[in-house]
Amino acid sequence: AQSVTQLGSHVSVSEGALVLLRCNYSSSVPPYLFWYVQYPNQGLQLLLKYTSAATLVKGINGFEAEFKKSETSFHLTKPSAHMSDAAEYFCAVWGYFGNEKLTFGTGTRLTIIP
Amino acid sequence: DGGITQSPKYLFRKEGQNVTLSCEQNLNHDAMYWYRQDPGQGLRLIYYSQIVNDFQKGDIAEGYSVSREKKESFPLTVTSAQKNPTAFYLCASTGGQGNTEAFFGQGTRLTVV
Repeated sequence: AQSVTQLGSHVSVSEGALVLLRCNYSSSVPPYLFWYVQYPNQGLQLLLKYTSAATLVKGINGFEAEFKKSETSFHLTKPSAHMSDAAEYFCAVWGYFGNEKLTFGTGTRLTIIP
Repeated sequence: DGGITQSPKYLFRKEGQNVTLSCEQNLNHDAMYWYRQDPGQGLRLIYYSQIVNDFQKGDIAEGYSVSREKKESFPLTVTSAQKNPTAFYLCASTGGQGNTEAFFGQGTRLTVV
């Protein structure tokens, strides 16, 4: 079965600094991977997705993620953090073969320091 | 605009009561899902349905029930058998047949009083 692990439940960065949120996946087949963002008391919004096309995926709000098969990673980055980026971020993987559903990581809460 | 509507946004339940959370979508999506969110645990799948009149248990189905009588609707009932129902509940849908992008509702926060 497919799964994802997010390293770091809380990450703090200064405004203008690089954002790096880590996600590692486990899958016996080429995975479909996703990053979602959640603002307080709201649903989840898709940031970006990897579906076996380009390994560098660009998303909304200046975020991007790189699929690295050798490292089984799909880390989310943004060159310069903005106060509005403060939120919780979830990595997710799509299942296959009768298990067609999203499985989420435990989330990373991003805090931006002014 | 197309989307998913969850209601109510806040819900209070007395111990021993059943409550039903509503989820409606107008995206013409085949598949719908219910997740439970607790701090530090991410989203855990309760039930999902890939077609009308069919649904499957997720990872934490005990104490919950669902129905899928219409494509647009996937209500979740939290029964009195659910011992710790206080949580944030999220409904989602996907197009099915390989369409993997999930759209989420705004959530229902259930509190037991």
